[in-house]
Amino acid sequence: QQQVKQSPQSLIVQKGGISIINCAYENTAFDYFPWYQQFPGKGPALLIAIRPDVSEKKEGRFTISFNKSAKQFSLHIMDSQPGDSATYFCAAGMNSGYSTLTFGKGTMLLVSP
Amino acid sequence: GAVVSQHPSWVICKSGTSVKIECRSLDFQATTMFWYRQFPKQSLMLMATSNEGSKATYEQGVEKDKFLINHASLTLSTLTVTSAHPEDSSFYICSASPQGVTYNEQFFGPGTRLTVL
Repeated sequence: QQQVKQSPQSLIVQKGGISIINCAYENTAFDYFPWYQQFPGKGPALLIAIRPDVSEKKEGRFTISFNKSAKQFSLHIMDSQPGDSATYFCAAGMNSGYSTLTFGKGTMLLVSP
Repeated sequence: GAVVSQHPSWVICKSGTSVKIECRSLDFQATTMFWYRQFPKQSLMLMATSNEGSKATYEQGVEKDKFLINHASLTLSTLTVTSAHPEDSSFYICSASPQGVTYNEQFFGPGTRLTVL
């Protein structure tokens, strides 16, 4: 029930295209859903996060779509660029400063020039 | 804002020695810090959660006597890998949650690459 399932495992997108990564969760107590971007040899960086009181959040080229009834959320990267090539992790947590995050297994995104 | 640093960024040690990794929140106070381990091409595995001034909470399967965690202040947590062995070689990453936030926002450090010979 604590799992967060992420797909696809890897993704190749042409420059300028839209990258879409999906995540699904089971625990209905989760109410915080961040996405992290990680480059090789670096720590993850918080990209964007959403809470279930909204269905969509957009920051620049990055958009989170959230479907509470389906227990799914996704990351859309518009106008994908080669610099976006990285591993992306979705995560889920509960509204508590002490709560841990449950991470998906990650998606390796390659944006071809 | 919300910068977390780790030191060292990489370390090589001999089997049987102990290694200390520092995690600092540079521009905020962190009530809670987390330690993760990551193997190549895999996700982050939470090792333990530490709160300032109290004992760390370890995840199932993580040996607390081998991975000693100290969270002595609101800006510093340390992870000591005791009697390191080659199988402890990994990428160790800390994260910190700013004090006073109402949701579990975690900011990660750059990671420490540990190689045990």
